[in-house]
Parts: sequence; C-alpha cells; structure tokens
Amino acid sequence: DAGVTQSPTHLIKTRGQQVTLRCSPKSGHDTVSWYQQALGQGPQFIFQYYEEEERQRGNFPDRFSGHQFPNYSSELNVNALLLGDSALYLCASSLAGKTEAFFGQGTRLTVV
Amino acid sequence: QKEVEQDPGPLSVPEGAIVSLNCTYSNSAFQYFMWYRQYSRKGPELLMYTYSSGNKEDGRFTAQVDKSSKYISLFIRDSQPSDSATYLCAMVSSGGYNKLIFGAGTRLAVHP
Repeated sequence: DAGVTQSPTHLIKTRGQQVTLRCSPKSGHDTVSWYQQALGQGPQFIFQYYEEEERQRGNFPDRFSGHQFPNYSSELNVNALLLGDSALYLCASSLAGKTEAFFGQGTRLTVV
Repeated sequence: QKEVEQDPGPLSVPEGAIVSLNCTYSNSAFQYFMWYRQYSRKGPELLMYTYSSGNKEDGRFTAQVDKSSKYISLFIRDSQPSDSATYLCAMVSSGGYNKLIFGAGTRLAVHP
C-alpha cells in the first residue's frame, strides 16, 4: 500500500518565481492538507482540500493556492516567491470524518 | 502565547532510559491528540493517537492526556538509539476538519 507521495523531493527557485508542488494521498484517502515547516519549527497549516474544494485555510497569504483533482491528488502553488518561503512543505492525507493524518516525506524548497 | 507549547530540547539520554516528552495547550476545544516522530529531513510519522483524556499504550510508547490540566505526555520505555528524532505533539479541535496544530517539536538523542 503506497503511502503519501510528494514530488519533487528538493527544489531551488529564485525570488519572484512561481512553484508547484504535488501530492498523491494514501490509497483510500480523500482529504489532503498542506503544511509549511520552517527549520526548527513545527508544521504550520496552510489549507485543506476535500471534494476538490478548499475547505479550510490557515494564516497564509493569497500567494499560496492549491487544487485537488478528481483522483484526490493535490497541488500547492506559490507565486512571487520570497526568501522566507524556504521551508519543508508537507502534504498530509486523511479520510473525511477521521482525524488521523499521514504525512509524505515533504518537498524541501529553497528560495535564493 | 502559542496554542501549543513544547520544549524544543535537545534532550539527551542514555540507551535504556525512560523518556518523558510533554506539551501544554491553551485551547479547551482540543479533543484529539497525536504524537508524531520526525527523523531529520523526513516527513512526520504518526506514533500515537488519543481522543480526550486518558492513557494509551503501544509497545514501548505510552501517551497520556490530562484535559483538566491541558497537558499531554509521551513516555518511551527502554529507549533505543533508533528513537533519536524530533517528537512533535499535535492537536485537533472538535469540528476542526483535521487541522493539526503542532508544537515546535522536542529533539531527542539516545546515546549508546
């Protein structure tokens, strides 16, 4: 059973550029959440997608947007990258109505 | 004040020791409590999941929740060098759509 998979593993971008990160949820899961984890910090909730709609959003600017596809996979897009966007971006999948969330290995984004 | 407070450590113990990791929180609406283990440059791995107050045991791990004190703990018995990682506590409020609120994580090092 494949767990949560994310791509790419590492990414280096320049300030002002745009980036797209991808996530495939654990088999059978229908809900995808995205988190940002700065070095030495706990993950911070960005937003959650269910039934292809953004269901809940954390305290992140509109530069952060996302999408969920009919197969439940998801993308995170970040526009106008800032140096402060450098972090580990984590995708978590879960089943609607269940609390346990399972994380992928993350995408490490470096903005230079 | 952060919703979830966790001592970042680092915590260094000898192999075989009993480890106690703790988090405090301020939001009375939290009903679900989780502990994740995160190895360096990897995604968090779900270790323990508890609902409301009480204890839960799984092998060498015991999770405790005291809602009256807004305090949760994770105990690791017979600690091993392979337990060396960052331990993150996470909480979800009732009706919170699986939005996890994390502590900053405690770094644990178990030395032979």
